[in-house]
Amino acid sequence: GAGVSQSPRYKVAKRGQDVALRCDPISGHVSLFWYQQALGQGPEFLTYFQNEAQLDKSGLPSDRFFAERPEGSVSTLKIQRTQQEDSAVYLCASSPASVTDTQYFGPGTRLTVL
Amino acid sequence: AQKITQTQPGMFVQEKEAVTLDCTYDTSDQSYGLFWYKQPSSGEMIFLIYQGSYDEQNATEGRYSLNFQKARKSANLVISASQLGDSAMYFCAMSDNSGGYNKLIFGAGTRLAVHP
Repeated sequence: GAGVSQSPRYKVAKRGQDVALRCDPISGHVSLFWYQQALGQGPEFLTYFQNEAQLDKSGLPSDRFFAERPEGSVSTLKIQRTQQEDSAVYLCASSPASVTDTQYFGPGTRLTVL
Repeated sequence: AQKITQTQPGMFVQEKEAVTLDCTYDTSDQSYGLFWYKQPSSGEMIFLIYQGSYDEQNATEGRYSLNFQKARKSANLVISASQLGDSAMYFCAMSDNSGGYNKLIFGAGTRLAVHP
């Protein structure tokens, strides 16, 4: 079946621009996670959705970061007034439901802020 | 706080040989999960293997096995019969289930190069 997809794969933004990153999880997956991966580092948790409810946004670096999943499927991560330090790969992952379920990742969006 | 440590920034192995990638973890939880993911240059994180903290047997998935030593808090990945396609970054991760969902905590990764 289809895996997790993300778009765009690459995004270049000028400092101060707003960007929106899209994630299409595996159909039927209840849980959706966003992670940020800086160059040369492991991914770091940003936020978690259970269906349409955002249950944890403790990893969002600032109030410029906003995520939504209005219908419990597709999710969008929005970054307002981008800064150079926002340059990273943004990974989306989904899992069926329970705490022991494996997370399946998308290919990521590489964001470069100039 | 939970933490994953991968002390090997880079490793290389000869094709067809076995290699062990180290991972140690720190947690005060009794129930947790340990994962290994592969990240090729294309960027996607590919799930390899999972070990639950209460699993008594070491997990195996094809050429991958997880050497789980609970008392030492280590979860090393063993890749047998390395192939050129195994060249990639490898990340160890553990689940933080405190919120009722498995948020993953990742290590810094190990870059594996397989030589012909």
